[in-house]
Amino acid sequence: AQTVTQSQPEMSVQEAETVTLSCTYDTSESDYYLFWYKQPPSRQMILVIRQEAYKQQNATENRFSVNFQKAAKSFSLKISDSQLGDAAMYFCAYRSWSGGSNYKLTFGKGTLLTVNP
Amino acid sequence: NAGVMQNPRHLVRRRGQEARLRCSPMKGHSHVYWYRQLPEEGLKFMVYLQKENIIDESGMPKERFSAEFPKEGPSILRIQQVVRGDSAAYFCASSPPISGTGGEAFFGQGTRLTVV
Repeated sequence: AQTVTQSQPEMSVQEAETVTLSCTYDTSESDYYLFWYKQPPSRQMILVIRQEAYKQQNATENRFSVNFQKAAKSFSLKISDSQLGDAAMYFCAYRSWSGGSNYKLTFGKGTLLTVNP
Repeated sequence: NAGVMQNPRHLVRRRGQEARLRCSPMKGHSHVYWYRQLPEEGLKFMVYLQKENIIDESGMPKERFSAEFPKEGPSILRIQQVVRGDSAAYFCASSPPISGTGGEAFFGQGTRLTVV
């Protein structure tokens, strides 16, 4: 079974600065998806960014980028130019590539990000 | 195109009562997933359903919990004889018919169940 570990329960960053959230995972599969979700106080789960394991290029979405190290099974999220609206709980998640019943997401425990003005 | 709709947003039940949580997937989505989030925890997979079929219920507690996704109407997660330990946020996600490796899942806002 796959596991996802987020070793930082809490992080803080100054507005306009850059912060990196860590995520490691364990799997025996070679193809899979990785995701970062954001959960603000409203509880809505918002997809921030996704990475296909077969792609060597790191995914980027505006101020959000990932550092995907497949051999190390590491998938960190970098938030540049942090904004107050980035404050939220961030979850790293894994999903198998194959079909059938393997579409469920496996989540880490989350990192609570505080953005200081 | 409305997102995934869950209701109610908040549900309070006394111990021993039944809780019914509803999820209407996004238009065109035929796959539904239920997750549970306990305090201070990430989301944990419970069950994956397609219309009229349970595909994977490996995360569902063996007793008191059931889920359905009928041909017409929303998906229902039902918890019978609730206990305090059932208090959690329950999230529904939906995805379109999966072909190849696609099928991005979109989440609803969750139902917070409180058992008193």
